[in-house]
Amino acid sequence: KAGVTQTPRYLIKTRGQQVTLSCSPISGHRSVSWYQQTPGQGLQFLFEYFSETQRNKGNFPGRFSGRQFSNSRSEMNVSTLELGDSALYLCASSDPGTVRNEQFFGPGTRLTVL
Amino acid sequence: GQSLEQPSEVTAVEGAIVQINCTYQTSGFYGLSWYQQHDGGAPTFLSYNGLDGLEETGRFSSFLSRSDSYGYLLLQELQMKDSASYFCAALNRDDKIIFGKGTRLHILP
Repeated sequence: KAGVTQTPRYLIKTRGQQVTLSCSPISGHRSVSWYQQTPGQGLQFLFEYFSETQRNKGNFPGRFSGRQFSNSRSEMNVSTLELGDSALYLCASSDPGTVRNEQFFGPGTRLTVL
Repeated sequence: GQSLEQPSEVTAVEGAIVQINCTYQTSGFYGLSWYQQHDGGAPTFLSYNGLDGLEETGRFSSFLSRSDSYGYLLLQELQMKDSASYFCAALNRDDKIIFGKGTRLHILP
């Protein structure tokens, strides 16, 4: 099976702009989660989508939003970008039916906000 | 709140054994997972403990004690390629996963 893919791999934006990141999960996986990774902060959970519905949400401001399509592909949007939004954004797909809910991560999108 | 605590860095010698500890505080705790991430790479799943006790997968073992809200990852016969960051992650009953901040493992030759 093909792995999780994310596009684009790199992005440079300026403050105030908005950005949309895309994630295609492993075939058959209906859950997609998004994480923000910054040095020293580990992986911070943004939200999880399952069957086109947001099932879980982390503690991020409303500027961060997402959606999932009927083919399980997911997009994440960040509006009014701030310098602190510079990070690696990882998406992970999983099959919640398994006991351990193993997360399969994509390579990430490196976002730089200038 | 929900949080996981793990050391920020650990150093060990090639061929030795190292233990990375993780304590957690989460509601509706269901199980503890471990992930490995090499520099520039994506996190990859290593192990999962849903029950108390030790799970062994080759050179890696993971342990969980629910009564102590504690777990650890044990790496044996360390190799230079094991130099990476290791994250513990708590799974709760709502399928929500919370990651620790990660432990950077340095291996000396």
